[in-house]
Amino acid sequence: AQSVTQLGSHVSVSEGALVLLRCNYSSSVPPYLFWYVQYPNQGLQLLLKYTSAATLVKGINGFEAEFKKSETSFHLTKPSAHMSDAAEYFCAVRGGGTSYGKLTFGQGTILTVHP
Amino acid sequence: EAGVAQSPRYKIIEKRQSVAFWCNPISGHATLYWYQQILGQGPKLLIQFQNNGVVDDSQLPKDRFSAERLKGVDSTLKIQPAKLEDSAVYLCASTSTGTSGGAGSYEQYFGPGTRLTVT
Repeated sequence: AQSVTQLGSHVSVSEGALVLLRCNYSSSVPPYLFWYVQYPNQGLQLLLKYTSAATLVKGINGFEAEFKKSETSFHLTKPSAHMSDAAEYFCAVRGGGTSYGKLTFGQGTILTVHP
Repeated sequence: EAGVAQSPRYKIIEKRQSVAFWCNPISGHATLYWYQQILGQGPKLLIQFQNNGVVDDSQLPKDRFSAERLKGVDSTLKIQPAKLEDSAVYLCASTSTGTSGGAGSYEQYFGPGTRLTVT
């Protein structure tokens, strides 16, 4: 079974500040991990994914995440926040077995960016 | 390429009524998923299809929810009768691989969702 915990349902930063969104996972098999972004009234868009290659993954819009097996974490960062980054972010882990391809999502973190 | 299409975008019904949602995945995508996203929560998988067969429906409340993908392309999700707790956004997603294949092919592409309000 897989699960994801996102620490902090709301994160607020100033424009230009570091963005750090936390994600911890639990998986009985080697995980594949994903970060998605959701803008109001829209579907989910993939930001980046970890698929057992490099542990530091770069995604779109300047975001990156580092897979740390010892900490079972996959935190999302961006060096400098932009107003357009305001959205809800979801961390997800991909399952195996008969549900191969199934994504298990965290509860989401709403990012607010202040001018 | 065209994305995942869903309709309607919004639906308001009274409890005990029935409702149906439609999804057209990206052309050529064999795997289709329906997720339920309750306000304040992450999406939860309801059902996964591989072509027109069901791979996983363990989280589908089968006493009231049903889904089909008859020709292995578009899909419908039905709720009958609806309850207040069914108020949520229903997301459809598709991916180009099935139950095996390279990890890089597992990106799921999501539609805009259908927001259901049950009063």
